[in-house]
Amino acid sequence: GENVEQHPSTLSVQEGDSAVIKCTYSDSASNYFPWYKQELGKRPQLIIDIRSNVGEKKDQRIAVTLNKTAKHFSLHITETQPEDSAVYFCAAPYLGGGGADGLTFGKGTHLIIQP
Amino acid sequence: KAGVTQTPRYLIKTRGQQVTLSCSPISGHRSVSWYQQTPGQGLQFLFEYFSETQRNKGNFPGRFSGRQFSNSRSEMNVSTLELGDSALYLCASSLGGANNEQFFGPGTRLTVL
Repeated sequence: GENVEQHPSTLSVQEGDSAVIKCTYSDSASNYFPWYKQELGKRPQLIIDIRSNVGEKKDQRIAVTLNKTAKHFSLHITETQPEDSAVYFCAAPYLGGGGADGLTFGKGTHLIIQP
Repeated sequence: KAGVTQTPRYLIKTRGQQVTLSCSPISGHRSVSWYQQTPGQGLQFLFEYFSETQRNKGNFPGRFSGRQFSNSRSEMNVSTLELGDSALYLCASSLGGANNEQFFGPGTRLTVL
């Protein structure tokens, strides 16, 4: 199955600053890259995703970029707020481009927003 | 629409026992995926069911199995429980075409003593 590496494992930023989380994947056939946010004691929730036919996608303060040649994708959060504090997971299809819905997740980044 | 539900929410078992967890997907969703979440290993893919067939399987031993019913509800079973099976087990449902958004349930917290 697909292998996803995520960095950093912990990220502390001042409120109002930007945060960037990076992931790499191994299977060049992978074509779907979602990002999930998990608050303490809650279920993971999709915040943004990108498919391999685009290089960047933005939704208000959140953006994701994809570099297929280098096989990496990144999450960018601008003007961070206290409610952004959570664990963020990147993911890619477990079967690469294999037409199923199971995901391989990165190990997660604990984002801490300092007041 | 009601969200994904899982039962039970908490479970305590002893080594050697077996356990069955249940997941009810969002109405209209035909795919159910199962994940194990632990502090050390993060979220790991167990398997995915689509239209009552296992479509995809992660790298877990045969003690972990699952099934899906005609109404898309899914169960997973773990036999001969080990201490290392203690984890949060999450299921997620999706429409099922491929690469669709997955909606997670609240999870079942399994503790093996």
